[in-house]
Amino acid sequence: DAKTTQPPSMDCAEGRAANLPCNHSTISGNEYVYWYRQIHSQGPQYIIHGLKNNETNEMASLIITEDRKSSTLILPHATLRDTAVYYCIVRGNSGGSNYKLTFGKGTLLTVNP
Amino acid sequence: DGGITQSPKYLFRKEGQNVTLSCEQNLNHDAMYWYRQDPGQGLRLIYYSQIVNDFQKGDIAEGYSVSREKKESFPLTVTSAQKNPTAFYLCASRVWTADNEKLFFGSGTQLSVL
Repeated sequence: DAKTTQPPSMDCAEGRAANLPCNHSTISGNEYVYWYRQIHSQGPQYIIHGLKNNETNEMASLIITEDRKSSTLILPHATLRDTAVYYCIVRGNSGGSNYKLTFGKGTLLTVNP
Repeated sequence: DGGITQSPKYLFRKEGQNVTLSCEQNLNHDAMYWYRQDPGQGLRLIYYSQIVNDFQKGDIAEGYSVSREKKESFPLTVTSAQKNPTAFYLCASRVWTADNEKLFFGSGTQLSVL
């Protein structure tokens, strides 16, 4: 799996958009970008994933650059409950046989009132 | 209500004692995982299991053991050989399709040494 780089922490005002960046310059053509988040003292939760097109669901939007070397997770209207560590992971689609899945340190997003 | 259930929520270990953390899933997933998380750190992979009766070491398996006798269950034993066991332990299961892969996590067990 390609390595990812995320800022260790970010702040956002409540009600504003939170834009969390992730660099994955060594991503290969069949690797997907996944985002999870972990609220304090809980297990991580899947948010969204994408290959090359931008994606949106009820939780967030994912913007992937055309060269796929970076992406941004967007929480359009951040609330205090969005305060969490956000993990960006790049995973290849190797027929499901790549079972070893690792997480980095992620970005601690703090939403301020 | 499907999901991953970890128990207990809090666990205390005495010196030289083995303790076992429970992880049960009713999602019918083949693959299951154990992670360790230290304060302010990311998740580190201890063991994973692709299927019943099979498991592989992750990045920090020393001092831990697992079993996978049933699809639904993947217990983790923290042995006395693990000298620094205080951490938050997370269990997960995995679902995979051709264009999607998701991990489902339990709510974790906080292990502390007395």
